[in-house]
Amino acid sequence: DAKTTQPNSMESNEEEPVHLPCNHSTISGTDYIHWYRQLPSQGPEYVIHGLTSNVNNRMASLAIAEDRKSSTLILHRATLRDAAVYYCILRDLMDSNYQLIWGAGTKLIIKP
Amino acid sequence: EAQVTQNPRYLITVTGKKLTVTCSQNMNHEYMSWYRQDPGLGLRQIYYSMNVEVTDKGDVPEGYKVSRKEKRNFPLILESPSPNQTSLYFCASSLGQPNEQFFGPGTRLTVL
Repeated sequence: DAKTTQPNSMESNEEEPVHLPCNHSTISGTDYIHWYRQLPSQGPEYVIHGLTSNVNNRMASLAIAEDRKSSTLILHRATLRDAAVYYCILRDLMDSNYQLIWGAGTKLIIKP
Repeated sequence: EAQVTQNPRYLITVTGKKLTVTCSQNMNHEYMSWYRQDPGLGLRQIYYSMNVEVTDKGDVPEGYKVSRKEKRNFPLILESPSPNQTSLYFCASSLGQPNEQFFGPGTRLTVL
């Protein structure tokens, strides 16, 4: 499985945009890029996913590099409720097990 | 409300006493999965099920059993729990690739 690399932690101020980077230099053509987050004492929560084009939803935006070797999760206006561990995960569309391979993620700290 | 439910949420038991953690989803998802989360090791898949009566091992299946007799339910069975199975357990469900996975709230298990 292709691996992802994320910073261990990041800090941001409340109501400012946050850019969470993820490197995945060994990504294959059938790998989707997924982002999940885990708030304290809760189960993981889906944020967004994409294949090649940038994606937007109500929670965030996903910017994917042209060569697909990196991506950035963008929270447009962080709130205290966005403090969580954010996981960047690659999922192979051809994999019959829809398993998510979890790394350590990035702990996002939001300062009031 | 679309959700994955787990019961119990917290359980303290003793070595060797059989237990079952239930998981149920109301989204008519075919795919269901169990993960365990341990500090420093992240989330690891225990078992998964592609559909009724179809189950397969994940990365850490030793000491666990599952069954999938109905589409909505996917119980995790520990026939003879041991202290190394003390962990936080999450059940997840999905429509399939590349759709998002929905996670339950977690079950914190302590085996003494």
